[in-house]
Amino acid sequence: EIVMTQSPATLSVSPGERATLSCRASQSVSNKLAWYQQKPGQAPRLLIYDISTRATDIPARFSGSGSGREFTLTISSLQSEDFAVYSCQQYNNWPRTFGQGTKVEIK
Amino acid sequence: EVQLVESGGDLVQPGGSLRLSCAASGFTFSDYWMTWVRQAPGKGLEWVAYMNHDESEIYYLDSVKGRFTISRDNAKNSLYLQMISLRAEDTAVYYCARGNGWYQPWGRGTLVTVSS
Repeated sequence: EIVMTQSPATLSVSPGERATLSCRASQSVSNKLAWYQQKPGQAPRLLIYDISTRATDIPARFSGSGSGREFTLTISSLQSEDFAVYSCQQYNNWPRTFGQGTKVEIK
Repeated sequence: EVQLVESGGDLVQPGGSLRLSCAASGFTFSDYWMTWVRQAPGKGLEWVAYMNHDESEIYYLDSVKGRFTISRDNAKNSLYLQMISLRAEDTAVYYCARGNGWYQPWGRGTLVTVSS
């Protein structure tokens, strides 16, 4: 099983600032890496797939990068609606696995 | 509008059974792979089971193999998860989601609580 490790667990950021979230895989996942946003009481929402492709209707302030085992989600200028938990997920191998999440909170 | 709506979650005793349903609308259900993902209270997301469009390919999380069965009825645009021999560690919100690799959309989830 591929273990996905996210850091930091919590990120405190002021509105308008840049947020950088990291995700590391225990082995290469090729380009099969997605990011999700989840707000309390809501279902996850796909943000990014294939490392860097934004899903439909996702604003350009969200971007993904990385390769192999190391990946980054960047939110260029945090808006109030962006404070949430973000999870990475690999889909290169079975079982599909998720990171434990990074909570982005208001500083 | 593409939509998934789960139902069937409940409080059940350890060793009990439950059947979850997921009603799909707004897309051609029979064309898509479908997945169940769960989230225990305060924890991260955990993939549980997957079925392709014609039921010829199925995968399960090791810890649910032999206890959970994923199925679908394309005529009813529905996905199911039959769960038996439930354990406390199966307590979670169960989401159905469309896809095989990345998942979109997701339903709002249904809560399964396993407790005596």
